[in-house]
Amino acid sequence: QKEVEQNSGPLSVPEGAIASLNCTYSDRGSQSFFWYRQYSGKSPELIMSIYSNGDKEDGRFTAQLNKASQYVSLLIRDSQPSDSATYLCAGNTGTASKLTFGTGTRLQVTL
Amino acid sequence: NAGVTQTPKFQVLKTGQSMTLQCAQDMNHNSMYWYRQDPGMGLRLIYYSASEGTTDKGEVPNGYNVSRLNKREFSLRLESAAPSQTSVYFCASSEGAGPYGYTFGSGTRLTVV
Repeated sequence: QKEVEQNSGPLSVPEGAIASLNCTYSDRGSQSFFWYRQYSGKSPELIMSIYSNGDKEDGRFTAQLNKASQYVSLLIRDSQPSDSATYLCAGNTGTASKLTFGTGTRLQVTL
Repeated sequence: NAGVTQTPKFQVLKTGQSMTLQCAQDMNHNSMYWYRQDPGMGLRLIYYSASEGTTDKGEVPNGYNVSRLNKREFSLRLESAAPSQTSVYFCASSEGAGPYGYTFGSGTRLTVV
């Protein structure tokens, strides 16, 4: 069992809708979590980080962390076709300087 | 532009050949990492260097070696390439232990035939 789990998708949402991406983790010692966006053939790009329980908002993106339930989520409001990509969840499981990544969820925003 | 630079971007090797993937960062980051990415497997850590002068194995180190040449540079060597090492390789760096994300290089697409 991977330490960070994501549904591979694809998750299909219409343009303008809210996309909800979820991630669960197994190591209760994990403290920091990150969401990366990866376009096909490109490298991952950091879009959000969250360290405390609750919500963190940055523009159209909201990251949510619930340490008791061991899940992390990413909400994308007013989804655009340019948001179509694979979204990777990562947590600093084990040694604090290492990140463990989920396998990613592919998001498709349709016109 | 500041960031993480990887070379080469593409490489084709024959089974048994060796090669070194180069990585350099100019953000004065302490920690550097090598990951491989395969379809359905996600990003898997090969080796990392928490700080200059240290290296440690990750999840999939077999068949690879690394060198942290200085604070800026972290290279990955395949001594005898195998078809199972066909993958996309990413180098990344971070400030180190703590709530710091990674900055990734653009990747190396390696094919071993």
